Amino acid sequence: AQKVTQAQTEISVVEKEDVTLDCVYETRDTTYYLFWYKQPPSGELVFLIRRNSFDEQNEISGRYSWNFQKSTSSFNFTITASQVVDSAVYFCALSEVDRDDKIIFGKGTRLHILP
Amino acid sequence: DSGVTQTPKHLITATGQRVTLRCSPRSGDLSVYWYQQSLDQGLQFLIQYYNGEERAKGNILERFSAQQFPDLHSELNLSSLELGDSALYFCASSAYYNYGYTFGSGTRLTVV
Repeated sequence: AQKVTQAQTEISVVEKEDVTLDCVYETRDTTYYLFWYKQPPSGELVFLIRRNSFDEQNEISGRYSWNFQKSTSSFNFTITASQVVDSAVYFCALSEVDRDDKIIFGKGTRLHILP
Repeated sequence: DSGVTQTPKHLITATGQRVTLRCSPRSGDLSVYWYQQSLDQGLQFLIQYYNGEERAKGNILERFSAQQFPDLHSELNLSSLELGDSALYFCASSAYYNYGYTFGSGTRLTVV
């Protein structure tokens, strides 16, 4: 069965530090998609990235970067030079192609960026 | 504005009552998904509709039901409400299979 584990429940870092959010997933499928979403204090869910299981290239978008490693079933998210506005709950998620396209979310990591 | 519209934004109701949450997907999106976010359970998938047909079902209670109408808007009906049903209910829509969702801003339901 599909499962996403975000072991870090809550992280606090001082502004400008780098921070990595861990995500480990389980799936029986060979084709699947991984996602990260951000939920700021205002409550909405914001899509950050989608990655398919055949693309293990790391991705960088500004201060955000993602490291996908199939060998360890991990899809970690790093924020470089963190800012107070990065404070939010971050969710990692998984969708298995062969069954349906529902997305299963991890329980989230609450990130506090301290000024 | 994500393009996914959920109404109402807030709802306070008493135990035993029934409520209807409404969702209008982004223009052109055929799939609608409902999620429940509570403090202890995180984001739980409830149900998915695609072009009017139920496509996938999660841990949705029998007291809950949903449908998607010909104009593609969807409604989630919650009945015999209990205190534990208090949560944030999100609707999302997507255009392409496994493309990722666009979420609405959610409906915060408080059962008192």
